[in-house]
Formats: sequence, structure tokens, C-alpha cells
Amino acid sequence: QSVLTQPPSVSEAPRQRVTISCSGSSSNIGNNVVNWYQQLPGKAPKLVIYYDSLLPSGVSDRFSGSKSGTSASASLAISGLQSEDEADYYCAAWDDSLNGYVFGTGTAVTVL
Amino acid sequence: EVQLVESGGGLVQPGGSLRLSCAASGFTFSRYAMSWVRQAPGKGLEWVSTISTRDGSTYYADSVKGRFTISRDNSKNTLYLQMSSLRAEDTALYYCAKGGVADSYGPYFDNWGQGTLVTVSS
Repeated sequence: QSVLTQPPSVSEAPRQRVTISCSGSSSNIGNNVVNWYQQLPGKAPKLVIYYDSLLPSGVSDRFSGSKSGTSASASLAISGLQSEDEADYYCAAWDDSLNGYVFGTGTAVTVL
Repeated sequence: EVQLVESGGGLVQPGGSLRLSCAASGFTFSRYAMSWVRQAPGKGLEWVSTISTRDGSTYYADSVKGRFTISRDNSKNTLYLQMSSLRAEDTALYYCAKGGVADSYGPYFDNWGQGTLVTVSS
């Protein structure tokens, strides 16, 4: 049972922008860094955002992340949407109460 | 280049045991926390366990606590997950993942293996 809530799916046309929300609590997002993972169909997850908003080397700058500590929520934005962005996206953070990592429920991105 | 190669998965009966391994290369294994993350068929990602570096502290999800044991052999650059009292709900693809910051508990996973499939069924 995930403690980080994401919308099940989002869709948008090519070249447009989508935003995926991730809602948590003070014990996870409110007090720890948020990271985002992309999972292409049949593949292992890949880190696309770390430390709330940093881009790993080799990841397209069309990806961006933000976080509101006061509302314990985070967002992943993908601009200039491309067909290769079709994947499942997961947010994740350490949870101080559970003393472990928690993943979001996952969001499927569809490029129309 | 970082490489993580899992092995040891297979079909096991409920109540049985299995040991997974993850062979690591391309980085200084002893300096990074390592984790197991699983994904049941058609489901989302679920963190299973993490082992830190210096003091070997271990952390477990409540769903596996008392049944699974994570360990590492820094001389062999290998991570393990000993699984016992297996249940049908443990059926999943098990990924090995590397922590992103040296000498810390994580705090993110910057490299993942391709996974090894564990099926618990009679």
C-alpha cells in the first residue's frame, strides 16, 4: 500500500507539457528529498529527477521537478512531449515514520 | 560503466526459501548503500530492503520484516537477499538498485539491474 499518491494516468499531445503530481505527508515528502523514476514498458526503472529537482547526467532537460515542503507534495513536468516519453513514472522518498523508502502509486503517461 | 546483475530467482512453493544475488561492477561497491525493490506482475514498485555501507545497518519493509534478510559481501562485490517463509504475494520481479551518494543511506537509486523473477506457487 503506497503512501505517496499519484494520478493513475495523464495524456497529452506531442510537443505539449504534462505534469504529474505526488502527494505525501510530513514524514516523507515534507522532510526528505523526492526522486522520480521512469519505467519504459518491459524495462527496469531509470532515475530522471533526484534531490527534488536535479537532472541526472544524460537525462533530457525536458524533464523538471519541483517540491512544496509545506504541502508535502511534489511534481514532475515533461515538456515538449515525445512518443519516447510514454512510460510509467514513480515518485519516491524516504519515510521517517516507516524507516524506509516509499514509492508513489505510479502514473502512466500517454502521448496522444 | 555500472553493472548490476541479479540471479537466483525461480519457482518456489509457499513456505519455501530462496536466495537472490546481485553481482555489482563498475563502481566501488563498499561505498554505496544497496537496495532491493520488487514489482509484482502488472503492479507498481515496492521497496523491499536497504543495507548501508560502513555500519551495515539494514532496513526492511513491514511486508517482509522477519522473513527476508539483506546482506552484502564487499570482497565479492555482491548483494544478497535471503527470503524465507515465502508467500504467494511475494511473487514479483526483484530489482537490485545502487544508492546514489557514497557513504550514505541512499537517498535515491541511480542504477538498477534488470531483475530476477520470483514465483511463489504450489
